Amino acid sequence: GESVGLHLPTLSVQEGDNSIINCAYSNSASDYFIWYKQESGKGPQFIIDIRSNMDKRQGQRVTVLLNKTVKHLSLQIAATQPGDSAVYFCAENAGGATNKLIFGTGTLLAVQP
Amino acid sequence: ETGVTQSPTHLIKTRGQQVTLRCSSQSGHNTVSWYQQALGQGPQFIFQYYREEENGRGNFPPRFSGLQFPNYSSELNVNALELDDSALYLCASSLTWGGRIEQYFGPGTRLTVT
Repeated sequence: GESVGLHLPTLSVQEGDNSIINCAYSNSASDYFIWYKQESGKGPQFIIDIRSNMDKRQGQRVTVLLNKTVKHLSLQIAATQPGDSAVYFCAENAGGATNKLIFGTGTLLAVQP
Repeated sequence: ETGVTQSPTHLIKTRGQQVTLRCSSQSGHNTVSWYQQALGQGPQFIFQYYREEENGRGNFPPRFSGLQFPNYSSELNVNALELDDSALYLCASSLTWGGRIEQYFGPGTRLTVT
């Protein structure tokens, strides 16, 4: 069935280092992907998105890479800060009449000062 | 802040009871989606409403039902509550444009069923 999975459930990095969070998806028909950040007690916060006709998209301190050949998505955070500590989810949208998002289980990013 | 609000923030119910959760979407958004997030897991799609009509449903039983109102706010109703219904319930509003569907989430309602 459809699934979006993450390779690393927990990622610990030093403040100032770059972070890379990975995600695998299984639905070849998915054409839109989003990364969300979820802090404790809050709803998911939109970080960055990418469509399937792109392989890279940059935002402020964040970059999303999409490799459709191996169905892999990654989120790169530059100069990681303590405020980046949260659970990160990738989500895919397979299109169709309902724009439902399929989420992975999440990666906990812990930034060490 | 996304402009999506949910109420109540926390709720405790007993097994077998019924519950109604509410969501106000971001201004200008006409689509509302509901998700269930169990502890330690990613959100799971329940259903979506577009212009007051259900526009898709996930793998949830009929005791999960919803409504969308003319002002695009929405309700999620759960009947005959079960212990496994304990979760964070998230509402997301969206506006489809140019093929991109950015969904913005509210803070969620934490439901505990005892």
